[in-house]
Amino acid sequence: QPVLTQSSSASASLGSSVKLTCTLSSGHSSYIIAWHQQQPGKAPRYLMKLEGSGSYNKGSGVPDRFSGSSSGADRYLTISNLQSEDEADYYCETWDSNTRVFGGGTKLTVL
Amino acid sequence: QVQLVESGGGLVKPGGSLRLSCAASGFTFSDYYMSWIRQAPGKGLEWVSYISSSGSTIYYADSVKGRFTISRDNAKNSLYLQMNSLRAEDTAVYYCARCQGYVSYWGQGTLVTVSS
Repeated sequence: QPVLTQSSSASASLGSSVKLTCTLSSGHSSYIIAWHQQQPGKAPRYLMKLEGSGSYNKGSGVPDRFSGSSSGADRYLTISNLQSEDEADYYCETWDSNTRVFGGGTKLTVL
Repeated sequence: QVQLVESGGGLVKPGGSLRLSCAASGFTFSDYYMSWIRQAPGKGLEWVSYISSSGSTIYYADSVKGRFTISRDNAKNSLYLQMNSLRAEDTAVYYCARCQGYVSYWGQGTLVTVSS
């Protein structure tokens, strides 16, 4: 089954941009993933579906500041013009025929 | 709008049982796969189980296989999770989720605490 690897933490300044990475395990580099955001004390929220081609589809109400891209086994979430409300945990997700997998999550701090 | 509302969480002793429910609205429930996903305190997300739109296909994580049972009632727009032989490590917030391959909507979660 696929494994997703994320850095445990990231930080960036208010108004700047940050790029979070989710890496698919060997043999799974073509898999589609999804990105989810979890603000402190809240349920997760779906952000976008991201394909290996770099094509992405965002969920309803997700700001234009959020975008996705891909390179090989790496899937990226870029947040531009960082706002204080973007401080959150970000998880990537993928699935196989009989399972679904989450990355360990990246805690984003907005300085 | 899509709404998923979980209920049934609470405090239970090790070895006990609990049944979670998820009431769905705002979409055609019978068209979608559904999942249960949990999050232990201070930890990441862990997939628990999913069920196909008709209920004919079901999968479980190894950590709950043989103890948990997922089911759905499309006439009542409801998803369920029967949890038996509960352990301390099952303590978590349990989320109901709508799936389109990936999770596209999350409920607000219900807390299950397993403790003596």
